[in-house]
Amino acid sequence: GAGVSQSPSNKVTEKGKDVELRCDPISGHTALYWYRQSLGQGLEFLIYFQGNSAPDKSGLPSDRFSAERTGGSVSTLTIQRTQQEDSAVYLCASSLGLGVTQYFGPGTRLTVL
Amino acid sequence: AQTVTQSQPEMSVQEAETVTLSCTYDTSESDYYLFWYKQPPSRQMILVIRQEAYKQQNATENRFSVNFQKAAKSFSLKISDSQLGDAAMYFCAYRSSTSGTYKYIFGTGTRLKVLA
Repeated sequence: GAGVSQSPSNKVTEKGKDVELRCDPISGHTALYWYRQSLGQGLEFLIYFQGNSAPDKSGLPSDRFSAERTGGSVSTLTIQRTQQEDSAVYLCASSLGLGVTQYFGPGTRLTVL
Repeated sequence: AQTVTQSQPEMSVQEAETVTLSCTYDTSESDYYLFWYKQPPSRQMILVIRQEAYKQQNATENRFSVNFQKAAKSFSLKISDSQLGDAAMYFCAYRSSTSGTYKYIFGTGTRLKVLA
């Protein structure tokens, strides 16, 4: 596609359930980033991929959060045993190689009841 | 660690007028990048303007321009001839130029309202 796509657009889940969020980067972009945007706050970095490897996982808030990227393209962010504080918009971005400018997807709004 | 501060949670401007959004940052680095992104209700983050720290000239994109004051660590965004479509959240972001650190560090955003 022309831009970064994310699915689902919205996800409502119950506390304790696992969720998977998907990101499709711009074709050819080797770098991929996940951010979290909580209500009233800026964007918080979670993890960065270069190809299929994740050189920087420093932003993952707990071991309930994990992410993978396969084939150097699609990435999945998994949150296990969701908590109410996980409710946020999860944004994905990609860039060409180590390019400076990141291009963002529309995000997934996660609501944990 | 680098930080980015946006001290104006909300701003209003009359259509066709000019508004300036403030951003300050803290870093010990001499080379880095600064950005302004716009986030409308659709949630899609849109790049407005980008500034390289090694460039003294302020970046400009049509009605959008920045006032980059490196010594003061200030990076404000000026929107001229404001339009209704400019209403959105605006985020200031910092990116190091150090190899291996590619994440953006964002401020908390400024909500811009444009009054008809």
